Order: sequence, then structure tokens, then C-alpha cells
Amino acid sequence: EVQLVESGGGLVQPGGSLRLSCAASGFTFSSHWMHWVRQAPGKGLEWVANIEQDGSEKYYVDSVKGRFTISRDNAKNSLYLQMNSLRAEDTAVYYCARAVGSSASWWGQGTLVTVSS
Amino acid sequence: QSVLTQPPSASGTPGQRVTISCSGSSSNIGSNTVNWFQQLPGTAPKLLIYGNTQRPSGVPDRFSGSKSGTSASLAISGLQSEDEADYYCAAWDDSLNVYVFGTGTKVTVL
Repeated sequence: EVQLVESGGGLVQPGGSLRLSCAASGFTFSSHWMHWVRQAPGKGLEWVANIEQDGSEKYYVDSVKGRFTISRDNAKNSLYLQMNSLRAEDTAVYYCARAVGSSASWWGQGTLVTVSS
Repeated sequence: QSVLTQPPSASGTPGQRVTISCSGSSSNIGSNTVNWFQQLPGTAPKLLIYGNTQRPSGVPDRFSGSKSGTSASLAISGLQSEDEADYYCAAWDDSLNVYVFGTGTKVTVL
């Protein structure tokens, strides 16, 4: 069974850092593009970043460029999102997702990040 | 700010047909395939339609997708109470190099 389990969310002060993790199981992790997508409370979905199978290609939404870094460890079947210089507007549920743009799309249950003093 | 525009809400009675539109541009819908996602209250999004018109296994054939030019549509026929959810279209944008989601449509079963 395909599973994506996010962790690492929590309460952080503005300007702080958090590292989100996503543990994948039930499929060949190294064969898929992986994504982070977020959803602010009561708002719609916003794509954050993605990473190619071997980690060589990465893309980010403009609002997080220079602050967030997506990475993966195929040996550990894990996806990461390092978030620095966090702002109140980064408050959201962060979803780890496999292959968002294809038939293989699968999403985790999300982890809540709250940026507040 | 999303570049894919959807109506904020749609509704119908059980058994009716509901259609949701998704308007984009030549750099996203006009150039790439469209996926649709269903988000039931309090849950993670789930793939509903991929490649403009294809249903993953397990998705009822009451759901259908179409695309024409820079717009796409999702139709729900034979509306059921369990279809009450938020629906999002999505596509890669070649100009922005980002994956873009629609603004989302809340479907209510009256």
C-alpha cells in the first residue's frame, strides 16, 4: 500500500526554521518526481516545490525561492523541505505528494506549520 | 494568486449534473494536460481526473473531464451527497515553471 507520512510541523516564530520530512513506502520512491503542496487555513491549494527522481532538477514557487530547499534521500525513501526565514504567510498544512501531475498522483495527510510569535 | 480560475461554488440536487469550469492560458492548460483533485472535508486532496479526461481506477464514471484550448471542465453526473467537496484543477505552467492549481470550487448537494 502506498503511504506518504509527513512529520516535522509545529509552531515556530517568524524568522525561524523548520525541516519537514516525508517518509514514503509501498512504491519505488526513486522512480517518481516528488512535490510539496501547502494549504493555508481556509484557503486553496498552493504548489510549493518539486524535485526530480535523482534530485538534479528542482523548481520552486516564487514566494519561497531563496528561503525553502527541497531535497530527497532515495536510500531512505524520504523527501524533505528545509524552511528558513519563515513568515506568517507560510502558515499552512504542508502535503507531500507523489507525481502531482500524472496518473500516479498520491498525497500524504499533511503536517501543520504555524508561524506566529 | 492562482492563474487558473474556477467558480467559487456550484450546487445541485441529488441526481443532477454539475459542471465546473477551469480557465487558464496558453502557457498552462493550453500547453499541458489538466488534472482534477477532490478534497473531501478535513482530508487530503485525491486525484480525480488525470491527462484531461482519464479516471484513475476506483473513481466512479460519474466524473468526467474535458479540455478545449485554454479551458477545462469537470462534470459530475448523477450527483450524490458524498460528492460534497472542494474540487481543484491543476496544470504545469511552462512560463512560470511552476505547477498551478485552480482557485477551487466548493460543490454543495442541496
